[in-house]
Amino acid sequence: GEDVEQSLFLSVREGDSSVINCTYTDSSSTYLYWYKQEPGAGLQLLTYIFSNMDMKQDQRLTVLLNKKDKHLSLRIADTQTGDSAIYFCAESMSGGGATNKLIFGTGTLLAVQP
Amino acid sequence: NAGVTQTPKFQVLKTGQSMTLQCAQDMNHEYMSWYRQDPGMGLRLIHYSVGAGITDQGEVPNGYNVSRSTTEDFPLRLLSAAPSQTSVYFCASSQLGLDQPYQETQYFGPGTRLLVL
Repeated sequence: GEDVEQSLFLSVREGDSSVINCTYTDSSSTYLYWYKQEPGAGLQLLTYIFSNMDMKQDQRLTVLLNKKDKHLSLRIADTQTGDSAIYFCAESMSGGGATNKLIFGTGTLLAVQP
Repeated sequence: NAGVTQTPKFQVLKTGQSMTLQCAQDMNHEYMSWYRQDPGMGLRLIHYSVGAGITDQGEVPNGYNVSRSTTEDFPLRLLSAAPSQTSVYFCASSQLGLDQPYQETQYFGPGTRLLVL
């Protein structure tokens, strides 16, 4: 079946780069997503990448996609304390492109030390 | 725009009780979904809708019903609550753009915390 895996924790110092990794299993996924969840809040869509792309950059965020290894990463440059949150990777289910059919990873808690 | 609103913010139920979690969006989005989030886990899709009058099951639909009589509203009904349904419930709405590659606009509601005793 489809599965999305992430490491549970990542700790970095303020100003360093953070790299959050994710592996997925559904090779037919059209879209892959990164979400941010702050304590007590809903999910915020950070960015997404199409399966025909290798990289997408959006200000401090860089998404890398390795389709061969089914590996997705999110790099946050110049990490700030406000970036502390849980980051979820998600893949579209069975090629579905809309956000109504997603499989989420367990989330990575990013802790930014001042 | 208010975005996606959910009510109530929290609820305590006894086993066997029924209730409806409300979700509304004022952005005229076609797609709406319900997810549950359990401790240490990602979100799991319960039900979703691609438009008014159209609903389908997600990953964990058992024990829940939905309907989509209008574009704006997508209520989630628990027919007979069970302790296993204790969770945080998120509603989401989204709309794909028309250009290639599709530009996606998506919003999550703030969540409803449900405790079933």
